[in-house]
Amino acid sequence: EDQVTQSPEALRLQEGESSSLNCSYTVSGLRGLFWYRQDPGKGPEFLFTLYSAGEEKEKERLKATLTKKESFLHITAPKPEDSATYLCAGSGGSNYKLTFGKGTLLTVNP
Amino acid sequence: DAGVTQSPTHLIKTRGQQVTLRCSPKSGHDTVSWYQQALGQGPQFIFQYYEEEERQRGNFPDRFSGHQFPNYSSELNVNALLLGDSALYLCASSLVERYEQYFGPGTRLTVT
Repeated sequence: EDQVTQSPEALRLQEGESSSLNCSYTVSGLRGLFWYRQDPGKGPEFLFTLYSAGEEKEKERLKATLTKKESFLHITAPKPEDSATYLCAGSGGSNYKLTFGKGTLLTVNP
Repeated sequence: DAGVTQSPTHLIKTRGQQVTLRCSPKSGHDTVSWYQQALGQGPQFIFQYYEEEERQRGNFPDRFSGHQFPNYSSELNVNALLLGDSALYLCASSLVERYEQYFGPGTRLTVT
């Protein structure tokens, strides 16, 4: 069964303090590793898709990377508006579903 | 470009009742998936619809059923509501040949 584990569960940063979020996955026949941002009470907002080990994607202060067992979401010089829960999900093999981790709650203090 | 829309936004039901949630996919998308998200958890897959057929189902009881219409919109029905069904219900749409799923704002269901 596919599994996705995210760490840490919560992360508190000062504005400008760069850090990384981790997503460990066991997804048979990975077809895609996805990152989403979710604000409280809202639906997840799509950020990135990574397809193969070594791939990197960037968007503003966010950069996602992928290895054969993990994905990292690097946040460079974060701002308070980057505060949200970041969700990682995988899809693989004959599955059409996304298997999600529990998310990392990021708080950026001014 | 219209994104995924869901209705209603919030809903309060009594244990044992039935509920119907609605979803319109992003323009151009043909596939709809439904997820349940409990507080503090990641979304859990309920099922996916394509060409008006249930394509895959997650580990949810038969009380959860769905439908997709010819215009690609979809409904999620839950019968015999339990207190544990209280959650945020998310609809996601995609293109059948693509893996990225785009989510709507969700429907917050409270069962009392």
